[in-house]
Amino acid sequence: DAGITQSPRHKVTETGTPVTLRCHQTENHRYMYWYRQDPGHGLRLIHYSYGVKDTDKGEVSDGYSVSRSKTEDFLLTLESATSSQTSVYFCAISSTGTSGPLEQYFGPGTRLTVT
Amino acid sequence: QKEVEQDPGPLSVPEGAIVSLNCTYSNSAFQYFMWYRQYSRKGPELLMYTYSSGNKEDGRFTAQVDKSSKYISLFIRDSQPSDSATYLCAMSVAGAQKLVFGQGTRLTINP
Repeated sequence: DAGITQSPRHKVTETGTPVTLRCHQTENHRYMYWYRQDPGHGLRLIHYSYGVKDTDKGEVSDGYSVSRSKTEDFLLTLESATSSQTSVYFCAISSTGTSGPLEQYFGPGTRLTVT
Repeated sequence: QKEVEQDPGPLSVPEGAIVSLNCTYSNSAFQYFMWYRQYSRKGPELLMYTYSSGNKEDGRFTAQVDKSSKYISLFIRDSQPSDSATYLCAMSVAGAQKLVFGQGTRLTINP
């Protein structure tokens, strides 16, 4: 999984509780991404980061926040989890430059269930 | 209308068959076209990519891009049960920070 770990790998939580997922990379790549994957929707980008403390929203960012205080760590926080946030969450990294393909490498995923 | 459309399947074929997986897109600025393979309960892994139009071959896999039709394909020859997975297409413009993914096609190769 290209030097990417995600923790926890599985989590069950109750509606209304805060949840933080962690992505850790050992590749020193500049770009990091959080996706969610749901049946019928494919992969949808939540947030991404293009450097330490530099983040931007994706297409499904409502209800999620992120932080990146170190190159190797990218945190995804659900401030108050809802059942609609039950999903599989994937972290990805990329070392894209100003040209060339955007090759993204994915972590193993976190299965989150909100009851 | 989604920027990238991919038939979710599922697609089931016998071992040894030639498989064709396809995506259409609407953004003519896309220049990089990628295919990811995702095994059950795993993260997607980059299979191959092509730049602009043309074909690219890697073993039993061939990626094809037709920019005039905004249509890309992945062909798998001599398909094996180990090819059973979900295949996702993804695209980007040059220098992009984000990929646009198709929905993914679930493929099963039957022994």
